[in-house]
Parts: sequence; structure tokens; C-alpha cells
Amino acid sequence: QKEVEQNSGPLSVPEGAIASLNCTYSDRGSQSFFWYRQYSGKSPELIMSIYSNGDKEDGRFTAQLNKASQYVSLLIRDSQPSDSATYLCAVKGSGATNKLIFGTGTLLAVQP
Amino acid sequence: NAGVTQTPKFQVLKTGQSMTLQCAQDMNHNSMYWYRQDPGMGLRLIYYSASEGTTDKGEVPNGYNVSRLNKREFSLRLESAAPSQTSVYFCASSRDSAGYTFGSGTRLTVV
Repeated sequence: QKEVEQNSGPLSVPEGAIASLNCTYSDRGSQSFFWYRQYSGKSPELIMSIYSNGDKEDGRFTAQLNKASQYVSLLIRDSQPSDSATYLCAVKGSGATNKLIFGTGTLLAVQP
Repeated sequence: NAGVTQTPKFQVLKTGQSMTLQCAQDMNHNSMYWYRQDPGMGLRLIYYSASEGTTDKGEVPNGYNVSRLNKREFSLRLESAAPSQTSVYFCASSRDSAGYTFGSGTRLTVV
């Protein structure tokens, strides 16, 4: 079982719709969770971080964390074609270091 | 503010050749990392450095060595390149438990 799991997609949504991206993790002691966006041929870019249960909103993005279910999600409202990218979920484990474990990413395609 | 700078951006090596990938950050971050990214495999940690003077192996360290030259610089060396090391390499840095800032990546092909 991979430590951080994501559906590889592609997830296809129409422009203006809500895109929902999901991630599960295996280390129950994990404390820090991140979402990165990666355009094709580019490096990952941090878009959201979340550390406590519940929702965290930033513009059109909402991160949701449920530690009991070991589940993190990212909602993108009013999806735009420019949101088409691979979204990587990353989790900081319960160890002392700051290293992150990444999922393999979900490819999002927003159709105009 | 440059962030994380990686060089070179592209490289083609012949099997058995050696090379060093350079990485420097100007954000005064303590921790630095080297990842490789392969299709279907995601980002896999090669080595990391929690602070100046320390380095530790990650998930896929075989065939690589690293040097944390100072707080700013963290280099990755391939002593004898193999086709299996064809990949995109990313350097990243972070402060405490915050997320990473990534460099722009190095596309390495070993023929």
C-alpha cells in the first residue's frame, strides 16, 4: 500500500464546475498536508496547506482534512481551463524530519 | 528573489559518465531535498538534508551522492550514470514544517 494515494485520473470537468480531488494517506500520525499544482513540463507549485481538521479556503480553492478517515481533498470552484494540470497531494509524516511523501498526482482537465 | 535555482536545465549523458546537479536557495531555509520524478511513479525522495552539515538517504538513494556545501547549496552527484537514472530531477527547500519550494528541474537523459 502506497503511503499517499491519489486517483491518477484524468478527471474531466466542464468550465465553471467544481473539481474535487481526493487523497488518502496511511500514516495516522501525519500532521501537515499540502496540495501542489504541476503544469506539464514545469515544477510543482504549492497552492494549499492544511494542518487541522476541517476546511481551509483560499480564493477558489478549498482544502478539506479529515484525520480520523486519513483523507484530504481539494475543491476547485468555478474551474477554468487554466486549472488544467496535475495536482499532487503531499503529506508530512509523523517523524522528526520535514520530508514530504507525495502521491502520484491527479490529472485535471477542464473542458471549455 | 530567485528562490531555488537548479543547474543545468537539460543534460544528456552517456552510460558511465558522471555529473553533478547543482542547487542553491536564497530563502535561508534549513532543509533541502532532491527528488526524481518518473511517469507513473510520482516524486520520489533521493536524499535530503535537514540542516547544514547533515544528509540522509531517502527512498531511492542508490547510484547517487550528495553534498550540503553550506546552508544555501545542496548538490547531487551521479558517479556512473545508468539509463535507469533518466528522469526529471527536482531540488526543493523548506523551513520547518512549511511546504517546499521547488527549483525548475533538470531533465536528464542517459543513453
